[in-house]
Formats: sequence, C-alpha cells, structure tokens
Amino acid sequence: GIQVEQSPPDLILQEGANSTLRCNFSDSVNNLQWFHQNPWGQLINLFYIPSGTKQNGRLSATTVATERYSLLYISSSQTTDSGVYFCAVYIRADSNYQLIWGAGTKLIIKP
Amino acid sequence: NAGVTQTPKFQVLKTGQSMTLQCAQDMNHNSMYWYRQDPGMGLRLIYYSASEGTTDKGEVPNGYNVSRLNKREFSLRLESAAPSQTSVYFCASSPMHTEAFFGQGTRLTVV
Repeated sequence: GIQVEQSPPDLILQEGANSTLRCNFSDSVNNLQWFHQNPWGQLINLFYIPSGTKQNGRLSATTVATERYSLLYISSSQTTDSGVYFCAVYIRADSNYQLIWGAGTKLIIKP
Repeated sequence: NAGVTQTPKFQVLKTGQSMTLQCAQDMNHNSMYWYRQDPGMGLRLIYYSASEGTTDKGEVPNGYNVSRLNKREFSLRLESAAPSQTSVYFCASSPMHTEAFFGQGTRLTVV
C-alpha cells in the first residue's frame, strides 16, 4: 500500500525560528491535508492542499503532486506552535476514499 | 455550528465491559470515520461510512462494530473491551473524499 513518510521526526527550535516540515508519499494521491495536534490532543485542520501553495498567517503549505511531496512552512515560531504535525493523504480503496496518515513531526518551540 | 461532536470525552472500562462511543456531525457530510490513535503514532482507520446506510472495515476493525444511524450520527461499539483497546478514539466527517474534520477525541482506558 501507499507509504507516507514525514521528516524530520522531531524538531526543537527557539521561539522566532522558521521551519520546514516535509511529507513524501509513495504513490499518486487524490488529496492531502496537514493537521496540527496540540499538546491537549486536539486535531486542528491546517491545510487541505491537493496541489499548489496556500498560506494562512505564519503558516504556508506547498504540494507538488507530480513529485509526490508536500511541505509545511512555519515562520516566526511561537510556543503555541508546539505539538505534532501530521500529513494525511487520500487514496481510493475499492469504491471509497480513505485517509492514510504519516507518523508525524513532533515540534517543540522553546521560549 | 458545533462541527463534529464526540461523547464521552473520557471513559474507563473494565476488561469485558461493553460501551458505545457516539459521534454526530452537523455539516451535512456524507462520509464519516472512526480512528484510533495509540501513543506516539498516527491515526489508524477502524471503520468508515461513505454514505448513510453503508459501512466498511478499515485497517484495524477487529473488536469493534459500527452503526450509521442516520446521516448525522455514526457510533462505535466495543462489545467486550480489552486492554489492547486502550487508546484515543477520533471521529471524523467529510464531504465525498475531500477535507476531513475531526471531533475532540475520546480517551478510553481499559483496565
């Protein structure tokens, strides 16, 4: 089946730093989402981005579907950015679509 | 507009007990999903329902049953809980194979 790999697995930064998180996938996908899981366990939708680039405040994401990767950029990091960032891709399984998840990047922002 | 609502938020069960996790969405989405998340891992699909009246097994369906009661509600039942089912359970909904939205999760401990 499809493999979704995220890198790096862990990242520790000082407040104010910038970061780039990567998501590689092994086969064609229909769509892709980025999520932030905060330290309380809540899953927050960041981007739904099948292709192209989107921006939301300090965060932006780019998906290059033909090269099978997506990048999440976080600029001017804040302590509230801490948590785990997941990418998940949609694949077609039989007649339905399913989300396949990467293992996540754990981000710690130090004050 | 509450989005996806899960109940309960926390539950402790004894081995062999049964319980039902409830999920409701008010976004008129066709598809609904149940996932489990074990510590340090991504989400794994238990069951999904592409539309009202249909359900299908996901990656880890053993020990669970589901009911798509109507378009809004999708419940997950543990008939005889086991310690291996200790996990955080997430319900999600989406329009047909597009952006997924998640509930706040149910933290289940089986002792």
